[in-house]
Amino acid sequence: EDQVTQSPEALRLQEGESSSLNCSYTVSGLRGLFWYRQDPGKGPEFLFTLYSAGEEKEKERLKATLTKKESFLHITAPKPEDSATYLCAVQGGAQKLVFGQGTRLTINP
Amino acid sequence: DAGVIQSPRHEVTEMGQEVTLRCKPISGHDYLFWYRQTMMRGLELLIYFNNNVPIDDSGMPEDRFSAKMPNASFSTLKIQPSEPRDSAVYFCASGRDTNTEAFFGQGTRLTVV
Repeated sequence: EDQVTQSPEALRLQEGESSSLNCSYTVSGLRGLFWYRQDPGKGPEFLFTLYSAGEEKEKERLKATLTKKESFLHITAPKPEDSATYLCAVQGGAQKLVFGQGTRLTINP
Repeated sequence: DAGVIQSPRHEVTEMGQEVTLRCKPISGHDYLFWYRQTMMRGLELLIYFNNNVPIDDSGMPEDRFSAKMPNASFSTLKIQPSEPRDSAVYFCASGRDTNTEAFFGQGTRLTVV
């Protein structure tokens, strides 16, 4: 069974303090690993898809990386507007996305 | 494009009543997904359609849940009869493929009392 574990559950940072969020996964035949951002009261918003180990993608202050067992979402010099819940999901042979519980990120000004 | 549109945004109903949630996917997207989100279980896939045909409904919790997609621009998720444990936020999402990004609606917050 495909599984995703995200850590930490919650993270508080000061504005400008860089850090990383972790997504560990087990999947039968990885077809893709997805990162989403979710703001309170809204639906998840797509950030990145990674398809193979070694792949990296960047968007503004965010960079996602992938190994055979985990993915990291690195956030560099975050701003308060980066506060949100970040969700990781994997797609395996069954073709459906399995989501982790998310990391709730708070950036204090 | 207006994105994925869900209605209603909020629904409060009494136990035993029928509840119907509605979704309009993004035009041109062949895949439509229904998810449920709770604090305890996170985001779970209930069912997904490809070209209006249900492909995988293994996430539908019980026979009380049913979903239809009569055409490419409309889908419903029905719960009959509803129970308090069905209280959750229900999301609809659409996409061009299963392994590309899915676009989520704003969700319907369902409360069954």
